[in-house]
This record gives sequence, C-alpha cells and structure tokens, in this order.
Amino acid sequence: EAGVAQSPRYKIIEKRQSVAFWCNPISGHATLYWYQQILGQGPKLLIQFQNNGVVDDSQLPKDRFSAERLKGVDSTLKIQPAKLEDSAVYLCASSPINRQGAYEQYFGPGTRLTVT
Amino acid sequence: GQQVMQIPQYQHVQEGEDFTTYCNSSTTLSNIQWYKQRPGGHPVFLIQLVKSGEVKKQKRLTFQFGEAKKNSSLHITATQTTDVGTYFCAAISGGYNKLIFGAGTRLAVHP
Repeated sequence: EAGVAQSPRYKIIEKRQSVAFWCNPISGHATLYWYQQILGQGPKLLIQFQNNGVVDDSQLPKDRFSAERLKGVDSTLKIQPAKLEDSAVYLCASSPINRQGAYEQYFGPGTRLTVT
Repeated sequence: GQQVMQIPQYQHVQEGEDFTTYCNSSTTLSNIQWYKQRPGGHPVFLIQLVKSGEVKKQKRLTFQFGEAKKNSSLHITATQTTDVGTYFCAAISGGYNKLIFGAGTRLAVHP
C-alpha cells in the first residue's frame, strides 16, 4: 500500500511571497489533515477534510492560509503572503473513516518550509 | 480548548535503561493515541487506548490508560538506540477524529 505523498519536500521563500504544498493521501482514505509542526513542538491541526468538505479549520489563519480538496482525493495548502513565523514542517495525514476502533492517522514525509 | 501535557520534555538514557513518558489532561479523554517521530521523520502511529485502565504491550513498549481516563503513559524496557525519537501522545477531540498532540518527549539513547 502506497503511503501519503507530499511535495515539495523542501521550500525556501522570502517573506511576503506565496507557496503551495500538495498532498495525495492513501487511496480510499476519506479524511485528510494538514498540520503545522514548528521545531520542538507537536503537530498542530490546521484543517481537516472529510471527502471534499471541511470539518475543522478553527486553527487555520484564514487571512493568509487556504486549502482545498476539490475531488475528495488530493489536496493543496497555500500560504499567501508568507511570514517568518510560518517557517515549519507542513505535514499531511490521512485516515480511513468509520473503521471500528482504528482511527490512526498516516502521515506523509512533510514539507519543510523556510521563510527568510 | 482541550490540551494534553507531556513530561518530561527530554530524556537522556544509557542503552539498556528504562524510559517512561507521561501524558496528562485536565478533562476526561475518550481515547488516546501514541505516535513516534524519528529525527527528520514524520509521526508514525504506535497504538490507541480506549478503555479505562487499559494496558497494552508491544514487545518492549507498555502503554497504559489511567482509570479516570485523564492520563496515559508509555514505558520502554531496556532501551535500544533504535528507540531514539520523539514520542507524542494525542487525544481525540470532537466527533471527526481531530487529534490534539502533546508537545512530545524527546528520547536520546547513548550506547
């Protein structure tokens, strides 16, 4: 079974520039998550999709971050304009839905963003 | 909002020593998950605990869920260098499988 794919793996941009990340979840996983992980901290959920609908975006800075999952499969996360404090690893994860007692999340390798 | 606190933040052990990390919440948890993240890697699911007082073992790893479902622990017996990494607990919040991660405990194992 192929894992969660993310690209790019690394990105360096200047502040006020824009950037986009792509994620392809495990086939058949209905739920997709985007997390921000700042160095030395645990992952923080930015947005959660179930199929192509948003079920939680309470911690997404909506003035600069946006995400979509148009066909209920792959997803993009965009930052525009970027700030220095956006430097972090952006992790995508997916999980199956309604599988009894098995809601583990499968994480992709992440995109390390550096904003200079 | 819901928070989970993990202690310690960081622990050094000699290879062969035991290691324990603790996860605490001020509210009752429906269940708790544990993940391991190797240096430079991504979180990998280890286990989920659901029942009050539950104890689960995976080889040298023992996971416990408190009777009141407000705390959990992960104990590693006789650590090996392959155990190096950060161990996160994560609590389920709400009805859509949203995870709230603790800050993690970083384990260093010296040979």
